[in-house]
Amino acid sequence: DGGITQSPKYLFRKEGQNVTLSCEQNLNHDAMYWYRQDPGQGLRLIYYSQIVNDFQKGDIAEGYSVSREKKESFPLTVTSAQKNPTAFYLCASSMILSWVGEAFFGQGTRLTVV
Amino acid sequence: QKEVEQDPGPLSVPEGAIVSLNCTYSNSAFQYFMWYRQYSRKGPELLMYTYSSGNKEDGRFTAQVDKSSKYISLFIRDSQPSDSATYLCAFGAQKLVFGQGTRLTINP
Repeated sequence: DGGITQSPKYLFRKEGQNVTLSCEQNLNHDAMYWYRQDPGQGLRLIYYSQIVNDFQKGDIAEGYSVSREKKESFPLTVTSAQKNPTAFYLCASSMILSWVGEAFFGQGTRLTVV
Repeated sequence: QKEVEQDPGPLSVPEGAIVSLNCTYSNSAFQYFMWYRQYSRKGPELLMYTYSSGNKEDGRFTAQVDKSSKYISLFIRDSQPSDSATYLCAFGAQKLVFGQGTRLTINP
């Protein structure tokens, strides 16, 4: 079955640590996205990538980094520079870069700072 | 002023009721209008999308867009307990902008 797989489902980070969230898709989609979801704020775009080896900052990229070395993979690193990283992180993909809601979402990773 | 305003609820209605969910927006550049459904601890899934004013129907769901008033709605007829979820409106232009979501509970 095709889809988007995010791992882990739950992640705990200590203060000052970097952590990496995994996102893999087998839909052969070119475009991939990372969103952050906080209670009462909806989804906010962190980074997106249109093709391999290319990515763009979204609205809240500070404190995050990404890579796109393979078409099917778009990992997100939450660095120690991100002051408030506790949130629900969602990865999505679409056939081409699209803002018309054609993206498919993964099941999310809930990150908690301890 | 926020680009998108959505009442967070929570909204609780009895099974079989008609549900109305609403969003207002301020950005005239928005060209696409969407509704997502998100079950607890899951990723959102696209329910409906449209790009024009008027109504679009899909089974028990109707999406309504009024561009002149910058207002969109989602109506759910004959609501079921399985419709209990958070509903997010979203707007597309050079990016996708989401509302904060309305938490809906359908009581049997």
